[in-house]
This record gives sequence, structure tokens and C-alpha cells, in this order.
Amino acid sequence: AQKITQTQPGMFVQEKEAVTLDCTYDTSDQSYGLFWYKQPSSGEMIFLIYQGSYDEQNATEGRYSLNFQKARKSANLVISASQLGDSAMYFCAMRVVVERWYSGGGADGLTFGKGTHLIIQP
Amino acid sequence: DADVTQTPRNRITKTGKRIMLECSQTKGHDRMYWYRQDPGLGLRLIYYSFDVKDINKGEISDGYSVSRQAQAKFSLSLESAIPNQTALYFCATSSTPGTGDATEAFFGQGTRLTVV
Repeated sequence: AQKITQTQPGMFVQEKEAVTLDCTYDTSDQSYGLFWYKQPSSGEMIFLIYQGSYDEQNATEGRYSLNFQKARKSANLVISASQLGDSAMYFCAMRVVVERWYSGGGADGLTFGKGTHLIIQP
Repeated sequence: DADVTQTPRNRITKTGKRIMLECSQTKGHDRMYWYRQDPGLGLRLIYYSFDVKDINKGEISDGYSVSRQAQAKFSLSLESAIPNQTALYFCATSSTPGTGDATEAFFGQGTRLTVV
């Protein structure tokens, strides 16, 4: 079974500062994917960034980067130069896919952490 | 139009009633999922489907059933709704690993269900 832990229920950050949201994970699988999603108050889930377990480079997407430390099983999200519009819930998630090619089916789906509520202050 | 569409967006129903939440997608993905979000608990997987003929239970399937009517449609049913099923429900799709160029899940807008 997989587990995602986000230890920061809430964070207050000044606008334009960088912010790091913590995420640790636990899995016995060697192949997995790590994701960060943003959920604004309107409720939709917005994909931010992805890191594969075999990717050697840390993923980056614009102002978002993922600090992947495989040995420590951590996948922290870094937001550079925070903006007021970054205020939202942030979820770390893991995908482990098990394919049973002979019998069909397998296992799939995302395991989510409980989220971090980020508030950017002007 | 959204890639993943959920209907209804909001629903209030009474305890004991049967209710169906519908999801349709235009991404062409084989895999579809239903998640539930409760305050403070993040999203949890209810059911997932590899394709039309392959449906699997997730972490919290008790009290729910699903139907994959076509590649593009995946419905979630509550046979006899109870108040602790009040939650925000999300449908999602993703490509089969190793195909396509994205591994992320694409989410619908969510359905806010209240059982009174």
C-alpha cells in the first residue's frame, strides 16, 4: 500500500517569497509517479507538476519545481516568487500502476495526502 | 467544453434515495476513476476502470457501485444514500502508462453531494 504524508496543514507566506510545501511518501514499489495538484476555493483540481521515480532530474514547470529526494522518499513542491493567486489547497499524490498482462486488470489510481492550505499575504 | 464533465454539479438528496453521478470524457483515455473528498482527508479512490470490461474496487467502495457504459462514460451510484456520503466527488481519467505523452489524471469539476 502507498502512503502520502503532508505535515503542514496550513502555511502563511508573504507575497513574492518562495515557499516549500513538504511531501513524504511510502511505497515498496520501484516504479511510481509523484504529482502535485492545486485546488482553489472554487474546488477544481489543477495539475501542477509530475516526477517519475526513474527521472534523474528534478521536474520544473514555470514557477513550480519538485525537489525529489528518492533516498529520503520526499517530493517537496517549491513555488518561486509566490503570488496572491497561489492561495489554495495543495495536494501531493502518488500513482503506482500494477499491470497483470496475462489475466488482465491490476491496480491503479492516485493516493493523496491530506493537503496543505497555503495563504499568500500581500 | 471541459475534457471531463460531471453531472450534476450540485445535488441534495434524502437518506435512502438512489442517486447516480455521471461522468463523460473527451480525452479518449481508457482509464477512468471516481474519488471522494472529505474535509481534512484529501481525495480517496472509490472505483477505477481499466476499460469498459474491467472495473475494480478502490479504497472505499462500500455503499457505491459503478457502471462503465462506454469508453467515454463512467457513472457512480449510491444505491441508498446515507448522510456520511455527503462529500465532494470527482471523476478523473488518465492514459494507460506507456502510451500517450502524459501520466497525469485529468479531473472533472466535481459534484457536491449533500445527503440529508
